[in-house]
Amino acid sequence: QSALTQPASVSGSPGQSITISCTGTSSDVGAYDYVSWYQQYPGKAPKLMIFDVTNRPSGVSTRFSGSKSGNTASLTISGLQGEDEADYFCCSFTTSSTRVFGGGTKVSVL
Amino acid sequence: EVHLMESGGGLVEPGGSLRLSCAASGFTFSVYTMNWVRQAPGKGLEWVSSIGSSGSFIYYVESVKGRFTISRDNAKNSLYLQMNSLRDEDTAVYYCARDYHYVPDYWGQGTLVTVSS
Repeated sequence: QSALTQPASVSGSPGQSITISCTGTSSDVGAYDYVSWYQQYPGKAPKLMIFDVTNRPSGVSTRFSGSKSGNTASLTISGLQGEDEADYFCCSFTTSSTRVFGGGTKVSVL
Repeated sequence: EVHLMESGGGLVEPGGSLRLSCAASGFTFSVYTMNWVRQAPGKGLEWVSSIGSSGSFIYYVESVKGRFTISRDNAKNSLYLQMNSLRDEDTAVYYCARDYHYVPDYWGQGTLVTVSS
C-alpha cells in the first residue's frame, strides 16, 4: 500500500485561500468517502480537521473545507491565518480494510 | 472527555522486543475499533495496525506483519502493541488512535520507540 501523494509544501499570505491535494487510487481515495484530514503542530499529536471528505468535527473552524473528485481529495483553508501554519496529512480507508496516510504538507503563512 | 495515554516506549537494540500500552478513558472503549499509527523523526504519519471492537478484524501494514501483534483488553480499557524483531526503521513516535467509522478521530500524545545499538 503506497502512501497517498501530497505536495510537500504550500504557502499563502494572510487572508488568502490555499488548497492541498491528496491523490490516491481507486483502492483508497476513489473507493470510499472515508477521507480525513489532520493538522499537526511540531511535537504535538495530530488533530482531526475533516472526516468523510467534507465534514468538520465540532469546534473546527468553518475556514476549513474538504472535497473529492475521483481519486483526489482536497483540503481548502480560507482566510489563511498565522495559526494555520502547521503540517497537514490526509488519510483514507482502503479496500483492504487498512488505512493509508499522505506524506504530509507543510503550510506556511507568508 | 476522550483521553488516550500511551506508555512502554524506550530504547531497544535491533532484534529486541517492546510492548506498548494505551490506556483509554472518557468513552465506551469496548465498542470502538482502535489503531496504532507511527511517525518516524521528521517524517509523515504511517498507519501500523487496527483491531476491531471485540478483538477480531485485525489488520497490519505490510512492513510489520509477522513481527508486531495488536491486542486489547476491554475489561481494562487498554490497547497493546507487542513489537518483536525490531529494526532501525521502526524508530518512531507511536500513537494510539480511536477509530470512528473508519476514521482515526482521537489520538494520544504518543510514546517514543528508539531502535539503536
